[in-house]
Amino acid sequence: GAVVSQHPSWVICKSGTSVKIECRSLDFQATTMFWYRQFPKQSLMLMATSNEGSKATYEQGVEKDKFLINHASLTLSTLTVTSAHPEDSSFYICSATSTLGVAGGLYEQYFGPGTRLTVT
Amino acid sequence: TQLLEQSPQFLSIQEGENLTVYCNSSSVFSSLQWYRQEPGEGPVLLVTVVTGGEVKKLKRLTFQFGDARKDSSLHITAAQPGDTGLYLCAGRANFGNEKLTFGTGTRLTIIP
Repeated sequence: GAVVSQHPSWVICKSGTSVKIECRSLDFQATTMFWYRQFPKQSLMLMATSNEGSKATYEQGVEKDKFLINHASLTLSTLTVTSAHPEDSSFYICSATSTLGVAGGLYEQYFGPGTRLTVT
Repeated sequence: TQLLEQSPQFLSIQEGENLTVYCNSSSVFSSLQWYRQEPGEGPVLLVTVVTGGEVKKLKRLTFQFGDARKDSSLHITAAQPGDTGLYLCAGRANFGNEKLTFGTGTRLTIIP
């Protein structure tokens, strides 16, 4: 249980175009979904937190107009990289927190397999 | 901003050796997790520690949460090639706060 999928697993796009990445919780309803970015040989950096039906909360330094997040349902969140540039090339990972199985305030994050974005 | 520094950043050892990875911060965390990530994949949760001083064992892996809940360590006994990967600690600031802060990462390579 608690499987998170991402689509696509990898994408190559031209500079200036936009690309959408989907994150789905397959067998549970996600209270919250998180989007991370990971550059080569580096750790995960949180970009934004999204709750179903409300606006995403972006981390400092992350442009909300460039990285559009939509969380329309309890099982789907999308990240759209608008007007992508080569410096946006990265590994994007989402995670989801289940509405079930909360114990003592511990919300388990389940991670997707990631999406490799290459902007040429 | 809460920072989690991991050391060493890189570690390459022979199969069968023991190793310890450290995760340190000046901030207190309500809980701390360890993940392993393989290239091109998302991180996989290994363990969650909650109580200061807590020790958890997972086969050859031993995890410890510092008494002050500011640091943690991961000890691997008799390392195997399958242990190769990026090890990440991640802390949660407050109970009920879902946001995780990831450590800087330790890339471990076990040489057969």
